[in-house]
Amino acid sequence: GAGVSQSPRYKVAKRGQDVALRCDPISGHVSLFWYQQALGQGPEFLTYFQNEAQLDKSGLPSDRFFAERPEGSVSTLKIQRTQQEDSAVYLCASSRLQGQMEFFGPGTRLTVL
Amino acid sequence: DAKTTQPPSMDCAEGRAANLPCNHSTISGNEYVYWYRQIHSQGPQYIIHGLKNNETNEMASLIITEDRKSSTLILPHATLRDTAVYYCLNTGTASKLTFGTGTRLQVTL
Repeated sequence: GAGVSQSPRYKVAKRGQDVALRCDPISGHVSLFWYQQALGQGPEFLTYFQNEAQLDKSGLPSDRFFAERPEGSVSTLKIQRTQQEDSAVYLCASSRLQGQMEFFGPGTRLTVL
Repeated sequence: DAKTTQPPSMDCAEGRAANLPCNHSTISGNEYVYWYRQIHSQGPQYIIHGLKNNETNEMASLIITEDRKSSTLILPHATLRDTAVYYCLNTGTASKLTFGTGTRLQVTL
């Protein structure tokens, strides 16, 4: 596809359940970002990859959050033992090179009950 | 924390120009001014960016003051489809975007 895609678009999880969110960046894009957006707020940075290397994970809120991009393309954000405060839209973005404009996917809306 | 300040909301009549202000008084010399917008239930969409010169593309114009402490995004002929939250950001080469709460632009008939 031409843009960033994310799946699933919606996820409902019971508290304590593990979830995995997938991001397919634009083909050839080196940089990949994950953001978390709470209701009524702007997106907040979680983590950044350059190819397969995770260069910045300073925004991950706890050790329950884990992201990977093993082959430098598709990325997965995993949240273990989900809590209600994890409910948010999780956005993925990619850019052709570091420092260039980012293209965002539609996001995955996670609701933890 | 976001390094920019924007009004929380603005209204604009369809067909008129929408002028969205942004203050970024702490911007450093190597940081760009970026504008994104987010239409309801979608991911943010890049609009335009600039360093110190004014910029124009097919979507909008960006006017940056000479001291770079503020900028204005101009949508020359707003349509209903321009209703969205508009974010002004400063970012350097690291490209980690720091969003604030943006300006909610409502375009009305």
